[in-house]
Amino acid sequence: DSGVTQTPKHLITATGQRVTLRCSPRSGDLSVYWYQQSLDQGLQFLIQYYNGEERAKGNILERFSAQQFPDLHSELNLSSLELGDSALYFCASSDGEVDQGSPLHFGNGTRLTVT
Amino acid sequence: GEDVEQSLFLSVREGDSSVINCTYTDSSSTYLYWYKQEPGAGLQLLTYIFSNMDMKQDQRLTVLLNKKDKHLSLRIADTQTGDSAIYFCAESIMGISGGYNKLIFGAGTRLAVHP
Repeated sequence: DSGVTQTPKHLITATGQRVTLRCSPRSGDLSVYWYQQSLDQGLQFLIQYYNGEERAKGNILERFSAQQFPDLHSELNLSSLELGDSALYFCASSDGEVDQGSPLHFGNGTRLTVT
Repeated sequence: GEDVEQSLFLSVREGDSSVINCTYTDSSSTYLYWYKQEPGAGLQLLTYIFSNMDMKQDQRLTVLLNKKDKHLSLRIADTQTGDSAIYFCAESIMGISGGYNKLIFGAGTRLAVHP
C-alpha cells in the first residue's frame, strides 16, 4: 500500500460529460502529480501541485483542470469528455523533488471509460 | 528532448535472470527510477539510482547505470512467476527555471515468466 488514495476506482460516463477524480496523498507529502496512462500514449505527465500551488504542466488538455486544496488532497476535473479520454488516471505524491531522490508514490488509479 | 525507451516484451524461464534495458535522453537526470505495475494496480516503486553511481543492488534486484551511453538496466535474479508484470524506467527532468521537476516514463517492458 503506497498510502496514496484515489477515488473512484472506476468511472463510466458518456461523451460530453464532466467528471472529477479525487486523490489523497501520503501523509506529509506536499507534492501531488497527475498522470494519464493509455494504451497508445503510455504514461503521460499531466500536472503537478506543490502545497496548493500549480508547479508544472505537462500534456494536459485545456478541457482538463486540477487543483490542490489546503488539506493537500487534489482533484482532477475532466470536462467535455471524448472517447479518447478513456484511460487510467494516476495520482502520485512525494515529499520532495524527484531529481533529489524523492520518488513518486502512486495510487491505484481511476479507470475512466467514456462511452 | 525528453524520451525514455524500453523494449516492449521479455520472456524468461522461472529461476533464470531477467535483464530489462532502458535508454534515456536527458544527461542532466540526477535520479533514475524503476517501477513495477501488476495488472489492475498502480505503479510500485522498486528501486532508484543516483546518476553518479554505476550500480545499486537491493536483494534480487541489481541496477546498472552507464551514464556515458545513457543506458540503464534492471536485473532480476532468480525470476519468479510473481515477477510477471510491466516494468517502467523513468528519468527525472528538471524544469528550465529550476524548482520543479517531473518523471518521464518509458513505455514499459512486459515481463512474462514461464515454468
